[in-house]
Amino acid sequence: DTGVSQDPRHKITKRGQNVTFRCDPISEHNRLYWYRQTLGQGPEFLTYFQNEAQLEKSRLLSDRFSAERPKGSFSTLEIQRTEQGDSAMYLCASSGRDSNQPQHFGDGTRLSIL
Amino acid sequence: GNSVTQMEGPVTLSEEAFLTINCTYTATGYPSLFWYVQYPGEGLQLLLKATKADDKGSNKGFEATYRKETTSFHLEKGSVQVSDSAVYFCARANYGGSQGNLIFGKGTKLSVKP
Repeated sequence: DTGVSQDPRHKITKRGQNVTFRCDPISEHNRLYWYRQTLGQGPEFLTYFQNEAQLEKSRLLSDRFSAERPKGSFSTLEIQRTEQGDSAMYLCASSGRDSNQPQHFGDGTRLSIL
Repeated sequence: GNSVTQMEGPVTLSEEAFLTINCTYTATGYPSLFWYVQYPGEGLQLLLKATKADDKGSNKGFEATYRKETTSFHLEKGSVQVSDSAVYFCARANYGGSQGNLIFGKGTKLSVKP
């Protein structure tokens, strides 16, 4: 069990640029979640996949955000035309088929918008 | 609404002191409840969980009991160590059992002094 892996760990970019983050869940975990965490706050839910299907998106996920999980394994989160307010830690979590299994989190990708 | 409220920090204790971090939740039904811990520079780690009323979750000397009547899940430890210094997050599942995304409190920062 190698845990949830996220890449990159840090991303610094200029406002208006596009960024893409990757998440590799624990193998055989069919559920994958994206959260956003800002300083001094708890993580806030963005979106959720079960296998390759994106089953839920929060209102926080504006139309500049898109997430995919094409083969039901790794997932990507893209932010287009980044804004200052997008600066945050982006967390990925995965859980298994049993509905009582807890979510396991990666170390996150910290995004800084200049 | 559906939310999680935990006591604000920071909390500063001396080594071997007793710790309580309060957490209350609002929800329809009886979702699973969790405590996650975030050590400096690391991702969220599951500390303990409880899936139904009167369940007690425990791990590493920490305990929390699912209290339906008071809608609470307070975290306790009898004797804290310097290595327990971290941010602690209370969370609940958004749906029944452990399904769906997690709803987090804002986190409580704990500093333990030698």
